[in-house]
Amino acid sequence: AQKITQTQPGMFVQEKEAVTLDCTYDTSDQSYGLFWYKQPSSGEMIFLIYQGSYDEQNATEGRYSLNFQKARKSANLVISASQLGDSAMYFCAMRERYSGGGADGLTFGKGTHLIIQP
Amino acid sequence: DSGVTQTPKHLITATGQRVTLRCSPRSGDLSVYWYQQSLDQGLQFLIQYYNGEERAKGNILERFSAQQFPDLHSELNLSSLELGDSALYFCASSVAGLNTGELFFGEGSRLTVL
Repeated sequence: AQKITQTQPGMFVQEKEAVTLDCTYDTSDQSYGLFWYKQPSSGEMIFLIYQGSYDEQNATEGRYSLNFQKARKSANLVISASQLGDSAMYFCAMRERYSGGGADGLTFGKGTHLIIQP
Repeated sequence: DSGVTQTPKHLITATGQRVTLRCSPRSGDLSVYWYQQSLDQGLQFLIQYYNGEERAKGNILERFSAQQFPDLHSELNLSSLELGDSALYFCASSVAGLNTGELFFGEGSRLTVL
């Protein structure tokens, strides 16, 4: 089973509109972290936002917020007032404390290609 | 700037050849992770080192190997290269194992095998 599922391969959004990128995850750990990364066409991985499994408040970082619904195992990224520069691939990722088979790195979803149209 | 340095940024080589990718983690980070990003497989975890020791292996081919040196820098060796090895290879680091905080990524090494 997929640990991270991003169901939207691509999205087209008008500039200045809000965007929600979907992410669901699967883990049996109680302690885990959820991340969103942005990858522009230049290729680098840019960290956007982090949500810890024990955090009660939804994480926010500027125009980015994470809609964390623990019972539904959902961690959607919301971008408010989208800009042309937001066009990129967006990856949801999870870091488990104990269930990574010894590894404690990130497991990534397949990504959503977001295109902001003027 | 994440503080993680990868070299080279771009590399073009031929099938059958061997290359070495280098990673310097953030100062103080003990864990180093290698990832491969290809168009068809997405971002795949290859291998993790923690304080010089191999911690875990992911989808790493037998033709690939890695090590972490006493100064904590790491190298990923890719040998008998095939066309399908063309990908973006990322190194990431974090402070220690068994935590759920951020991984810091380098800018990647783009390998093209012709």
